[in-house]
Amino acid sequence: EVQLVESGGGLIQPGGSLRLSCAASGFTFNHYSMNWVRQAPGKGLEWVSYISSTSSAIYYADSVKGRFTISRDNAKNSLYLQMNSLRDEDTAVYYCARDASAGATDYWYFDLWGRGTLVTVSS
Amino acid sequence: DIVMTQSPDSLAVSLGERATINCKSSQTVLYSSNNKNYLGWYQQKPGQPPKLLIYWASTRESGVPDRFSGGGSGTDFTLTISSLQAEDVAVYYCQQYYTTPSITFGQGTRLEIK
Repeated sequence: EVQLVESGGGLIQPGGSLRLSCAASGFTFNHYSMNWVRQAPGKGLEWVSYISSTSSAIYYADSVKGRFTISRDNAKNSLYLQMNSLRDEDTAVYYCARDASAGATDYWYFDLWGRGTLVTVSS
Repeated sequence: DIVMTQSPDSLAVSLGERATINCKSSQTVLYSSNNKNYLGWYQQKPGQPPKLLIYWASTRESGVPDRFSGGGSGTDFTLTISSLQAEDVAVYYCQQYYTTPSITFGQGTRLEIK
């Protein structure tokens, strides 16, 4: 089955760190660029970070730049998000999302999403 | 960043009737060199992740029922459900991918049954 499964969320105090993981299965993971998208409780969608299929290109939203680090391990079919210096406003469900293109050019719309993992930043 | 504004914020439509959701971008998302609108639509049901419905403004994703259609160009777009079914109750989001990596989503439109 083609799927993405996130893990690693939880309750963390402000200033703390957390590492999210996304396990991919059912498709050739190293052919696709991947993204993290988050959704604060009751709110809309916010793109967080992107990593190309070979990790040669990485981008972040301004809201997380300098605090979050995206990475991937193609041998393990896994995507990661290291989150440091967490703030209250980082509280959200974090989704990993696959770019719709398996080719050399990304499309930047997302055809496969995981079910998400909830990160709650609170003292 | 391009700001995506959806209207209305919420919508109640009777079963079998047409539902139309609007999405306006603060600048064009039409790329003149290939005449493509860099605009997608997603459906999010309660407790579920978003699901891609439409890309390039009007191309239906595989498996999406043909009652869903996308239209518009430039800065103004619509998602239309021709005959609302109970399973279409959801929040719908538009997304521009014209300016990468700064892609942005609309605030969402909640669709309910009247």
